[in-house]
Amino acid sequence: SQQGEEDPQALSIQEGENATMNCSYKTSINNLQWYRQNSGRGLVHLILIRSNEREKHSGRLRVTLDTSKKSSSLLITASRAADTASYFCATDPIQGAQKLVFGQGTRLTINP
Amino acid sequence: DVKVTQSSRYLVKRTGEKVFLECVQDMDHENMFWYRQDPGLGLRLIYFSYDVKMKEKGDIPEGYSVSREKKERFSLILESASTNQTSMYLCASIRGGLRNTEAFFGQGTRLTVV
Repeated sequence: SQQGEEDPQALSIQEGENATMNCSYKTSINNLQWYRQNSGRGLVHLILIRSNEREKHSGRLRVTLDTSKKSSSLLITASRAADTASYFCATDPIQGAQKLVFGQGTRLTINP
Repeated sequence: DVKVTQSSRYLVKRTGEKVFLECVQDMDHENMFWYRQDPGLGLRLIYFSYDVKMKEKGDIPEGYSVSREKKERFSLILESASTNQTSMYLCASIRGGLRNTEAFFGQGTRLTVV
């Protein structure tokens, strides 16, 4: 079952602008993670936020988590052309064995 | 650096063939996963394993099986390949015992069944 739902499915902005992507999920989680995928490649981990955290920063990335709404957002500030990629959220559900459940992803295009 | 290596980047197989996709990780991770990725559907979990010789079905196990004879290697088997199994296949590993830890992915295998 698809746990994460990203919104929007595609986003196109100008270089230097901020990009915001949202993720919603359905069940209680241990943590939520964001991954990046360049075209045709494997996924690379960006940031992990635990269920008891509300906000986390890493460089130009800012992630928020609202467990009451079962949602998260990823903000990329001062975007660069090299940020063009697909971004996925993934959740580790509390119930059951450790695994990651992914959403459909957001395709981000940064225009120079 | 953790490395997860998938045996092929691109693979073309015929309908009905038995197909093996191999994945090896070099960081002694307990947990390994196979996903398939299709446009508009994101990553869907096929099978995962949390120990040698252990396996668990994911969301879409039909038509697939797995093998984990050694800790570092997790194989995905398509018993009789069909055209609807044309997809990108991604292997991942996660260190066991720590719940809040990241996954490491291989570079992916793009499989085409003709």
